[in-house]
Amino acid sequence: AQSVTQLDSQVPVFEEAPVELRCNYSSSVSVYLFWYVQYPNQGLQLLLKYLSGSTLVKGINGFEAEFNKSQTSFHLRKPSVHISDTAEYFCAVSDRGNFNKFYFGSGTKLNVKP
Amino acid sequence: EAQVTQNPRYLITVTGKKLTVTCSQNMNHEYMSWYRQDPGLGLRQIYYSMNVEVTDKGDVPEGYKVSRKEKRNFPLILESPSPNQTSLYFCASSSGTSGGYQETQYFGPGTRLLVL
Repeated sequence: AQSVTQLDSQVPVFEEAPVELRCNYSSSVSVYLFWYVQYPNQGLQLLLKYLSGSTLVKGINGFEAEFNKSQTSFHLRKPSVHISDTAEYFCAVSDRGNFNKFYFGSGTKLNVKP
Repeated sequence: EAQVTQNPRYLITVTGKKLTVTCSQNMNHEYMSWYRQDPGLGLRQIYYSMNVEVTDKGDVPEGYKVSRKEKRNFPLILESPSPNQTSLYFCASSSGTSGGYQETQYFGPGTRLLVL
C-alpha cells in the first residue's frame, strides 16, 4: 500500500508571498498524483493532477506542481498567494496497479495573512 | 446542477444502533467511493465501487458495509457503530476510467457522525 507524507501540518504565509506545500509518497512504482483543496466546511475539489507526460503540471487558481520521480515527491507551488487561498490542501496518490484505490496525505493548512 | 449529495449532514447516535448514510450523484458516474476524514490522518478510503453490484475494500473497511444496487446511489452502512467511528465522512464519484486511471473525483459536502 502507498503512504503519503505531508510534513507541514500548517503553513502561515503573507499575502502575495510565494508558497510551497510539500508532498512525498512511498512507492517508486508508477503512480497517479493529485492535489485537492478543502475550503472550510466544504468537500474536496481537485486542484491538479499528474497522470503522465510533462512533470510540471498546472492547475486551477494559479497553482502548479512538479512531479519528481527520483525523490518520489509532488510539491505544490504558487508564486503569489491570496487571502482566498486559505484552506486545507491534500496530496493524494493512486498507483497504476490499482487505480481505484486512493491514498491521501494528512493535509496542510495554508493560512494566508494580510 | 451536477452534484453529489449526502444525508444526513449531521448525525448523533449511540453505540450499536445501526445507521445508514446515503450518497447520491446525478452525473451518471460509474465510480463511487467513501472516505473518512480524521484530524491528523487526512482522508482514508473505506470502500469503493466501480459500477453497479461491483464493490471493493479500501484501506479501512472494518465496521462498514456498502451496496451498489443502482448507479446513482452508494449508501454506507454501519451495522453496529462504535465511538471510534466518530468521524467526518465523504462520498465521491467519478465518471470512471479513461486510459487506465480514474477521472476526477467529485466530493459530497460531508456527513459529520458522532457515536456516543
